[in-house]
Amino acid sequence: EVQLLESGGGLVQPGGSLRLSCAASGFTFSDNAMGWVRQAPGKGLDWVSTISGSGGSTYYADSVKGRFTISRDNSKNTLYLQMNSLRAEDTAVYYCAKLVIVAGKFDPWGQGTLVTVSS
Amino acid sequence: QSVLTQPPSVSAAPGQKVTVSCSGSSSNIGNNYVSWYQQLPGTAPKLLIYDNNKRPSGIPDRFSGSKSGTSATLGITGLQTGDEADYYCGTWDSSLSAPWVFGGGTKVTVL
Repeated sequence: EVQLLESGGGLVQPGGSLRLSCAASGFTFSDNAMGWVRQAPGKGLDWVSTISGSGGSTYYADSVKGRFTISRDNSKNTLYLQMNSLRAEDTAVYYCAKLVIVAGKFDPWGQGTLVTVSS
Repeated sequence: QSVLTQPPSVSAAPGQKVTVSCSGSSSNIGNNYVSWYQQLPGTAPKLLIYDNNKRPSGIPDRFSGSKSGTSATLGITGLQTGDEADYYCGTWDSSLSAPWVFGGGTKVTVL
């Protein structure tokens, strides 16, 4: 069974940093692109970042470019999102998901981890 | 403001049919596959439809997808109380710096 398990969320002050992790199992991790999608409280889905299977290609939404860094460790089957210079508007549940790039298909999704940016 | 436009809400009685629309442009829906996601209250999104009209294993055939031009539609027949959820369309967009885009979501209410 394919499983994705996020961790690392929590409360952080504006300007602070946080690193999210997503542990994957049940599929060949290195063969698959992965992405992060967030959902602010009461709002819709918002794509954040994507990384190719090898890690050689990365993509970011304009809203996080220069502040967030996506990476992966294929030896540990783990995806990461390093978030720096956090703002109140980054407050959201962050989901990781396996992505079929050309089809734009996110499947499956992890259970999500909540990031709250507040003083 | 989402790149893809969905109605905020739709509703119908149990057993009836509902449709959810998703409107885009030639840079997204018009030239790319559309996926649909179901998000039950308090849970993560789940893939419901991919490649415009394909269902993953385990998704009942009460759920269907279609695409025409720059719009896509999700259909749910034989509506059940367990179908009450938020539904999102998503696709690739070739014109933006954000290549993966979602609709704003539609709340389906079973009356």
